[in-house]
Amino acid sequence: QQPVQSPQAVILREGEDAVINCSSSKALYSVHWYRQKHGEAPVFLMILLKGGEQKGHDKISASFNEKKQQSSLYLTASQLSYSGTYFCGALSGGGADGLTFGKGTHLIIQP
Amino acid sequence: DAGVIQSPRHEVTEMGQEVTLRCKPISGHNSLFWYRQTMMRGLELLIYFNNNVPIDDSGMPEDRFSAKMPNASFSTLKIQPSEPRDSAVYFCASRIGQGNTEAFFGQGTRLTVV
Repeated sequence: QQPVQSPQAVILREGEDAVINCSSSKALYSVHWYRQKHGEAPVFLMILLKGGEQKGHDKISASFNEKKQQSSLYLTASQLSYSGTYFCGALSGGGADGLTFGKGTHLIIQP
Repeated sequence: DAGVIQSPRHEVTEMGQEVTLRCKPISGHNSLFWYRQTMMRGLELLIYFNNNVPIDDSGMPEDRFSAKMPNASFSTLKIQPSEPRDSAVYFCASRIGQGNTEAFFGQGTRLTVV
């Protein structure tokens, strides 16, 4: 079963912040975040393994609440290069299951 | 390394024809995934192999779809017979191990069934 992402789409001005949420009905072993540019393959951003874990690099960070089976991706002071579709990938079954993605969140950054 | 290699990049076929999509994972990776991407459904997991063995094929839409991984360096996804609703971008991805490792995606095959 696919994780659920929200919002479906976001339009921002350059420099504004955004939050993308991901929730799962199944117990999560880990959460994986990817970004896809139009016409390209998804590219890895980060993996969160432990409940409560937070990660980030540059101005993109994420948190993972294992108990709530939720993760959030935070984009701070967005840049034009952040435009794309963001996918949350959920891994259950103690890590033995396949990586299942949500439908994605379309992020458009305007100058 | 050249990354995950998929072929063909584009395929246009007539309804009822057999279609075979190919994937070469990154050398040393022991997990392989096939995904289908559409606007309506996003990235759907079709099938997942670990050490060449199919672990989960519950995402395969129907019997018209089949996937094989005869060895660690090659996998195929076959659709027979193809239908217009199969039109989508099909991605193959591979990774080392399970759980906490990054999956690398191929460039995808854009399939159009007319």
